[in-house]
Amino acid sequence: DGGITQSPKYLFRKEGQNVTLSCEQNLNHDAMYWYRQDPGQGLRLIYYSQIVNDFQKGDIAEGYSVSREKKESFPLTVTSAQKNPTAFYLCASSPAANYGYTFGSGTRLTVV
Amino acid sequence: LAKTTQPISMDSYEGQEVNITCSHNNIATNDYITWYQQFPSQGPRFIIQGYKTKVTNEVASLFIPADRKSSTLSLPRVSLSDTAVYYCLVGALADNNDMRFGAGTRLTVKP
Repeated sequence: DGGITQSPKYLFRKEGQNVTLSCEQNLNHDAMYWYRQDPGQGLRLIYYSQIVNDFQKGDIAEGYSVSREKKESFPLTVTSAQKNPTAFYLCASSPAANYGYTFGSGTRLTVV
Repeated sequence: LAKTTQPISMDSYEGQEVNITCSHNNIATNDYITWYQQFPSQGPRFIIQGYKTKVTNEVASLFIPADRKSSTLSLPRVSLSDTAVYYCLVGALADNNDMRFGAGTRLTVKP
């Protein structure tokens, strides 16, 4: 079945460490996105990529980095520069922007 | 960038029809309207998308008046499992600038 897979589902990080969240899709979608969601809040856009080897900052990119070396993969690194990284992270893909996003099941990151 | 406004929360009872309205006063000519549903600790799920008049699928209907400055998501005969957050997005297809989700509407269905 086609879909989008995020791993791990839960992740714990010590302060000062970088951590990478995985996002893989086999939908042949060109566009991929990363969103952050805090408790009781909506989704905020971190980064997005419309094609391989190209990505753009969203509204809250500071402290995060991404790569898009393959069409299927869009990993997100949460760096030590991100001051409040504890959140629910969602990856999505779509054929193109606003054609209807398919979301992964999310990764819940906790800083300990 | 078309900004949307939705009610923060709504309550309903099982078996009722629920209508959630989204305001988008500065919607552009090329913008489409898309609704998503999100359950706790899950990613949002696409419900329906439309441009004008009425769109219906097996899950919901979307009503868009002629001026397109608002839209209404209609959920027929809701059940407890429809308790979720519903997001309205407005943006042009393939437009890189319109991928923002608002706070959404938290629908609670009661028995």
